[in-house]
Amino acid sequence: QVQLVESGGGVVQPGRSLRLSCAASAFTFSSYALHWVRQAPGKGLEWVAVISYDGNYKDYADSVKGRFTISRDNSRNTMFLHMVSLRADDTGVYFCVRGNSYDYFDHWGQGTLVTVSS
Amino acid sequence: EIVLTQSPATLSLSPGERATLSCRASQSISSYLAWYQQKPGQAPRLLIYDASNRATGIPARFSGSGSGTDFTLSIGTLEPEDFAVYYCQLRRHWPPYTFGQGTKLEIK
Repeated sequence: QVQLVESGGGVVQPGRSLRLSCAASAFTFSSYALHWVRQAPGKGLEWVAVISYDGNYKDYADSVKGRFTISRDNSRNTMFLHMVSLRADDTGVYFCVRGNSYDYFDHWGQGTLVTVSS
Repeated sequence: EIVLTQSPATLSLSPGERATLSCRASQSISSYLAWYQQKPGQAPRLLIYDASNRATGIPARFSGSGSGTDFTLSIGTLEPEDFAVYYCQLRRHWPPYTFGQGTKLEIK
């Protein structure tokens, strides 16, 4: 059973940094693109970032470009999201998501909550 | 920039009825559309990809149709567990992986 387990969320002050992790299991990690998708409280889904299977391609939503960095370690089956200069509107649940061969999101983690507040 | 608009925002139906949810793109996106279901406190689940293909393990009462700018998710006979929020999503484009704002399917 494919598993994606996020960690690293918490309460952080505006302007500070946070690093999220996503530990994967039960599939060939190095063969799949991975994404971060977030959801503000009571709101819809917002795609945040993607990283290719080998880490050579990365892309970001305009709302996080220049502040967030996605990375992965295929030897540890783990993906990361390094977030700096956090703002209140970055608050939400952050989901780790696997992209399938059709470029859709076929497996999701349960999410980790990030709260940016003073 | 392609925008996905879902309607209605809320749909109130009873178990056993048929549901029809709409997603409209601001310009043609061929068949590059997916549908996801999200229940409270849970992660979304992929239902339909490329407009009409059911994902693995999805019951046959879920079906998708459409191409170009107009898409529909149909649920043949509503089961109690089908009441949730449904999102459509665009595959890679600009902006990439755009989601619609969601349709809440609630029990009447």
